[in-house]
Amino acid sequence: AQSVTQLDSQVPVFEEAPVELRCNYSSSVSVYLFWYVQYPNQGLQLLLKYLSGSTLVKGINGFEAEFNKSQTSFHLRKPSVHISDTAEYFCAVSDRGFQKLVFGTGTRLLVSP
Amino acid sequence: DTAVSQTPKYLVTQMGNDKSIKCEQNLGHDTMYWYKQDSKKFLKIMFSYNNKELIINETVPNRFSPKSPDKAHLNLHINSLELGDSAVYFCASSQELAGVGGELFFGEGSRLTVL
Repeated sequence: AQSVTQLDSQVPVFEEAPVELRCNYSSSVSVYLFWYVQYPNQGLQLLLKYLSGSTLVKGINGFEAEFNKSQTSFHLRKPSVHISDTAEYFCAVSDRGFQKLVFGTGTRLLVSP
Repeated sequence: DTAVSQTPKYLVTQMGNDKSIKCEQNLGHDTMYWYKQDSKKFLKIMFSYNNKELIINETVPNRFSPKSPDKAHLNLHINSLELGDSAVYFCASSQELAGVGGELFFGEGSRLTVL
């Protein structure tokens, strides 16, 4: 069964600084990988996803993520964060052909002025 | 025009009561889901329906019963509520299954508090 580990429960950062949110997964088969964002009191929305092809994936709001198969990682990055990026970020994995999307425990990104 | 809408947004009730949460999506998607988010923000899938057919039924107490009258609606009924049922329940829909890389569209959540 697949699982997702987000080691950082909270990441504080100053506005305009770069940020990396870490995600590692475990699965015995090929996977699809996702990052979702949850703004306060809202549902989740998709930031980006990796299905196949280029290992560098670009998403909305200037975020990107890199799939690293050998390290089983899918870290999320943004070169310069805004206050409005303050939110909870969830990494998720789905085994190809499997029906479930399994989420990590989330990383709270706190951007301060 | 809300894509995935849930009602009610907030629900406060006593232990032992029965309650329902309704979900509707206007995206024309074939698959709908219920997720539970606990106080630590952990999201866990509970159920999934594809074209009104149950396809995922996680280890959830049978006090929880989903119902899908048509593919645009997925309701969640909970009997004999317990303190541990307090959580935010999210409805979601997708055109393709997660297993083929489908994107999930989430509602805003229904916060259930059991006293």
